[in-house]
Amino acid sequence: QVQLQESGPGLVKPSGTLSLTCAVSGGSISSNNWWSWVRQPPGKGLEWIGEIYHSGSTNYNPSLKSRVTISVDKSKNQFSLKLNSVTAADTAVYYCARVSVVVPAAIDYWGQGTLVTVSS
Amino acid sequence: QSVLTQPPSVSGAPGQRVTISCTGSSSNIGAGYDVHWYQQLPGTAPKLLIYGNNNRPSGVPDRFSGSKSGTSASLAITGLQAEDEADYYCQSYDSSLSVLFGGGTKLTVL
Repeated sequence: QVQLQESGPGLVKPSGTLSLTCAVSGGSISSNNWWSWVRQPPGKGLEWIGEIYHSGSTNYNPSLKSRVTISVDKSKNQFSLKLNSVTAADTAVYYCARVSVVVPAAIDYWGQGTLVTVSS
Repeated sequence: QSVLTQPPSVSGAPGQRVTISCTGSSSNIGAGYDVHWYQQLPGTAPKLLIYGNNNRPSGVPDRFSGSKSGTSASLAITGLQAEDEADYYCQSYDSSLSVLFGGGTKLTVL
């Protein structure tokens, strides 16, 4: 059973950089899956941030592309998210997730999510 | 404003049937991309409910079904139960190489 666990600061200052890591257990990050980040502002809907393959190939949400970097560390079986120049609008629960290898774009495993608040 | 449009809320009494629509365009659902549905119970991560328009992962009751036609898709829930009260999200893909989520629909079981 694949498990994903997000970690990182719960509070980030405006104009700073949000950094989160997702540790993958029960499976290899070098499998034929893409690995995603999705966020959810309090009381609002889901927003796809981007995804990465173990080769380092990435796809990003066009609306966030200029501020986002997703990277992978195969030695630690984890992947990471960096979002720079954050504002209060970036306050959200951030989920890391695994994209199904069988069904394109379908997310079959999710982390529990971590709340990141942008505030001074 | 989400590119995939869902009704903000739907409701139904126990035992009834409800449907949730997801309307897209010719660059996403209408372009032939699959639609997936997720159920999000309060305070938890989303869970894959329907994949590939009309397929249920193992463990999902057959009370849940999906369909797709043209630029829209629908999720149907029959025999409504109190435990079905949750937020539901559709998801598809766009020709701009972006994953899209609908705005979400809150289901209330009366």
